[in-house]
Amino acid sequence: GAVVSQHPSWVICKSGTSVKIECRSLDFQATTMFWYRQFPKQSLMLMATSNEGSKATYEQGVEKDKFLINHASLTLSTLTVTSAHPEDSSFYICSARRTLLYEQYFGPGTRLTVT
Amino acid sequence: AQRVTQPEKLLSVFKGAPVELKCNYSYSGSPELFWYVQYSRQRLQLLLRHISRESIKGFTADLNKGETSFHLKKPFAQEEDSAMYYCALKETGANNLFFGTGTRLTVIP
Repeated sequence: GAVVSQHPSWVICKSGTSVKIECRSLDFQATTMFWYRQFPKQSLMLMATSNEGSKATYEQGVEKDKFLINHASLTLSTLTVTSAHPEDSSFYICSARRTLLYEQYFGPGTRLTVT
Repeated sequence: AQRVTQPEKLLSVFKGAPVELKCNYSYSGSPELFWYVQYSRQRLQLLLRHISRESIKGFTADLNKGETSFHLKKPFAQEEDSAMYYCALKETGANNLFFGTGTRLTVIP
């Protein structure tokens, strides 16, 4: 089966610092990766869509300068939360779509806590 | 506007009882609809999609365009069905999924 990993699984950082989250497709190539944010007891909210080798497409209301997304290869996308604030604390989930097929495979998520 | 609505946040049924998780969508085109499931401490995974017309783990879902619904059903619930269920919509030509708020199903032994 298709496996998507995320690293780290949880991270605590101080307000004002930046943190990078990695999303990898382990056994398939993914031309498209998606980044979601999930608040407690709420649904997944799409933040941005990332295509390999091109700039990410951000959803309305998501600050592109704050949430930097890089999709440098067919198996890796990164999300960097810059100048993190406590309100950025959340569960961040990535998913990857196989080339030419639609189904999205989800990573296990990364819990970010900003103190 | 909320594209996918799951009216029940919580649903409890007894083992062996039928279960139906409701999903309604708002989209004027031809949607692709999916059900995703998240078991405790596991990642989100695809359960089924309407275009496949398949039954997975005893679950089925029929797209009703007249009622704009895609309810998930199972005739006899099992304890291992306890999980969080998300309905998701993909619009024609779109790259991404829109998720509902999810329903937490608890099957009581």
